[in-house]
Amino acid sequence: NAGVTQTPKFQVLKTGQSMTLQCAQDMNHEYMSWYRQDPGMGLRLIHYSVGAGITDQGEVPNGYNVSRSTTEDFPLRLLSAAPSQTSVYFCASSSERGGSYEQFFGPGTRLTVL
Amino acid sequence: QQQVKQSPQSLIVQKGGISIINCAYENTAFDYFPWYQQFPGKGPALLIAIRPDVSEKKEGRFTISFNKSAKQFSLHIMDSQPGDSATYFCAASTRGSEKLVFGKGTKLTVNP
Repeated sequence: NAGVTQTPKFQVLKTGQSMTLQCAQDMNHEYMSWYRQDPGMGLRLIHYSVGAGITDQGEVPNGYNVSRSTTEDFPLRLLSAAPSQTSVYFCASSSERGGSYEQFFGPGTRLTVL
Repeated sequence: QQQVKQSPQSLIVQKGGISIINCAYENTAFDYFPWYQQFPGKGPALLIAIRPDVSEKKEGRFTISFNKSAKQFSLHIMDSQPGDSATYFCAASTRGSEKLVFGKGTKLTVNP
């Protein structure tokens, strides 16, 4: 199993540009989520999905869109990039483990918005 | 509103020493408390987790201590090694929920 994969690894955008961060998992997990990680801020939840066709907002959803057409894929769209969106983005999927849920994280996408 | 408060922000320990990272929470509905370990350039990975029905859980050199009445839990790393140098995140979730709330992280450096 490849686990959780993310592309691209690095991306530089200009203010106002749009792009899609890709996330895929091959573990047949229903739950997937997107986080951003900023220095001193920990991991903040952007959007999450409990299954295909179902998405919901997390703590910091503004400026981002998601969709979940398949179990495997959960892309994150930046509609009009802003410097405040410069961050490292992590996608995760989770499975039940002894009544609790273990999240498996991808390797991350480092995004810089100029 | 920060639901899980983690301290310290950074920690330097000598090889062989004990590393202690603390977390506190307010939401009494939380009933699952994992710790994640993140190496530079990598995604976080689950290290160890505990439920509030036990006060301590040990896996190798890593121990979680849980104090339900104080709403606090901590990670102890015994015999700390340079390979333990990483950022550690505590987290919490409610029963049946896959949504995790993370602390802000602790950067641990273990000097040789």
